[in-house]
Amino acid sequence: EAQVTQNPRYLITVTGKKLTVTCSQNMNHEYMSWYRQDPGLGLRQIYYSMNVEVTDKGDVPEGYKVSRKEKRNFPLILESPSPNQTSLYFCASSLRVPGPEAFFGQGTRLTVV
Amino acid sequence: SQQGEEDPQALSIQEGENATMNCSYKTSINNLQWYRQNSGRGLVHLILIRSNEREKHSGRLRVTLDTSKKSSSLLITASRAADTASYFCATEAYMNSGYSTLTFGKGTMLLVSP
Repeated sequence: EAQVTQNPRYLITVTGKKLTVTCSQNMNHEYMSWYRQDPGLGLRQIYYSMNVEVTDKGDVPEGYKVSRKEKRNFPLILESPSPNQTSLYFCASSLRVPGPEAFFGQGTRLTVV
Repeated sequence: SQQGEEDPQALSIQEGENATMNCSYKTSINNLQWYRQNSGRGLVHLILIRSNEREKHSGRLRVTLDTSKKSSSLLITASRAADTASYFCATEAYMNSGYSTLTFGKGTMLLVSP
């Protein structure tokens, strides 16, 4: 089954404790991206990747890192999480950009206390 | 940054009625897409309309695009309670970097009552 898989689905952590949210897709997509969704602000792009080893900042990259060492994986790293990074995070992939639809993961609800 | 803005923010209708949502954006685009999100879940792609297209249909969905006004509308006909969800427009456009990216609006929350 074609899918984008994020882990974990839910995470509560403390300020400053490094964490990684994993994202994997099994569709051989070139393009992957991370979004955060906050009430009243919609989805805002954090980082995106056009292909292996090619990444770029989105609209809200501060406090986040990403890597794209393999085509299928695109982890999101929070080196020192802060409470303002409490949010619902989505990973998405598409075959290429510009082009067809984006496929989304089920989301990771992160709470930083 | 390039962003679609949906209107209205929330819409409440009865089953069987039509629902219309609008999206406005700021700069030239490659295409415009509509997505649906059930509460707290991942977004699901509904339909894509390219910048050289004016109208597109898919089942009960009809999308229009007016590039001169930089706006799009999504019409859901004969709505059902199961259509209750948030709907987002997303614009795909080239960035200064030469790459293109997909940017989402804030969404319209649709409530369809039985």
